[in-house]
Amino acid sequence: LAKTTQPISMDSYEGQEVNITCSHNNIATNDYITWYQQFPSQGPRFIIQGYKTKVTNEVASLFIPADRKSSTLSLPRVSLSDTAVYYCPVKGGNNNDMRFGAGTRLTVKP
Amino acid sequence: DGGITQSPKYLFRKEGQNVTLSCEQNLNHDAMYWYRQDPGQGLRLIYYSQIVNDFQKGDIAEGYSVSREKKESFPLTVTSAQKNPTAFYLCASSPAQGLNTEAFFGQGTRLTVV
Repeated sequence: LAKTTQPISMDSYEGQEVNITCSHNNIATNDYITWYQQFPSQGPRFIIQGYKTKVTNEVASLFIPADRKSSTLSLPRVSLSDTAVYYCPVKGGNNNDMRFGAGTRLTVKP
Repeated sequence: DGGITQSPKYLFRKEGQNVTLSCEQNLNHDAMYWYRQDPGQGLRLIYYSQIVNDFQKGDIAEGYSVSREKKESFPLTVTSAQKNPTAFYLCASSPAQGLNTEAFFGQGTRLTVV
């Protein structure tokens, strides 16, 4: 069963760059790596997705090494509003489900 | 506006009663999912459906049931067999199967057993 490993929590300060790493156990060849952000009492929302190397959008960057066994979400110059839980879901054993794991709780301090 | 809607936002249930949570999407998505989230925890997969009239169990399906009679609807029933149903329930949909597409989430239903 594919699983992910992320740090449980991270602290940062406003204006800093934050990097959150996720390990993907047994990610399949055709799977993309996707990150989501969740605020309290809300559903998660999509941040970024990639397959290999580097992807950048207006919110974040995603770095994926050649072996694709891990990925790093990079948030440039975080603000207090970036305080949230971040997930890197992978597919489960039945190929078409989507499992989120515990996520990483990021706290940005002033 | 296109989106995914869960109702109600808050739900109270007496012990021993079944209750059904609604999830509707007008995004024309094939896949739909139900998750449970307990305080301070991550999301756990209850059921998912790839196509109409088909659904699969996730990690914690015991005490829950679903149906997928229409593409846009995926209701979740919390039965009396679920011993600890108080939680935040999230429904999601995506255009195709698995991870290669973006999933959209509803705003959730908070169920409390009284």
